Amino acid sequence: DAGVIQSPRHEVTEMGQEVTLRCKPISGHNSLFWYRQTMMRGLELLIYFNNNVPIDDSGMPEDRFSAKMPNASFSTLKIQPSEPRDSAVYFCASSADLSGTQYFGPGTRLTVL
Amino acid sequence: AQSVTQLGSHVSVSEGALVLLRCNYSSSVPPYLFWYVQYPNQGLQLLLKYTTGATLVKGINGFEAEFKKSETSFHLTKPSAHMSDAAEYFCAVSGGEEYGNKLVFGAGTILRVKS
Repeated sequence: DAGVIQSPRHEVTEMGQEVTLRCKPISGHNSLFWYRQTMMRGLELLIYFNNNVPIDDSGMPEDRFSAKMPNASFSTLKIQPSEPRDSAVYFCASSADLSGTQYFGPGTRLTVL
Repeated sequence: AQSVTQLGSHVSVSEGALVLLRCNYSSSVPPYLFWYVQYPNQGLQLLLKYTTGATLVKGINGFEAEFKKSETSFHLTKPSAHMSDAAEYFCAVSGGEEYGNKLVFGAGTILRVKS
């Protein structure tokens, strides 16, 4: 089985540009999570969805960040406009079982110049 | 509310020595507990998890962890460290579906293995 798929794996952009990160969860999983990882702040939960519905977006840093899940097999995290402090590794994870076991994608390394 | 404390941001052991990574949790409901490992430039990989039943849980790569409710601990051990174990390890707690399957992570422990 394919795991969680994220694209692109690396993204370099200039400040002010729009960035879109993509995630395909494991088939059959009904929960999807977006995380951000930096050296300074560690692993932060940004937002999560259950059955394609956003449940908790309290971790989204500001209005420049938005996330969508139009169907069970696809989600996007958009940053507009991007800033250098958004540079981080962004992970997507999905879950299906009652215990909350999450399976992580390989991440997207974002660099904003 | 749930929280996780990992004691020691860095742990260094010699190859062949015992690995012990400490994790204490706080949870208002019976917890589900996890250890994840992250190798450089990779995502987090599930090492092992405790849900119910046997309190000693065995995972991949020879790791195991014991759930001790009285101590609110879930320490990770491996009898003999290998160079390939060098990575960052994260302990996490979940309240399960009732809490939206959210995981609360500890800050992580970087394991260094010396030859």
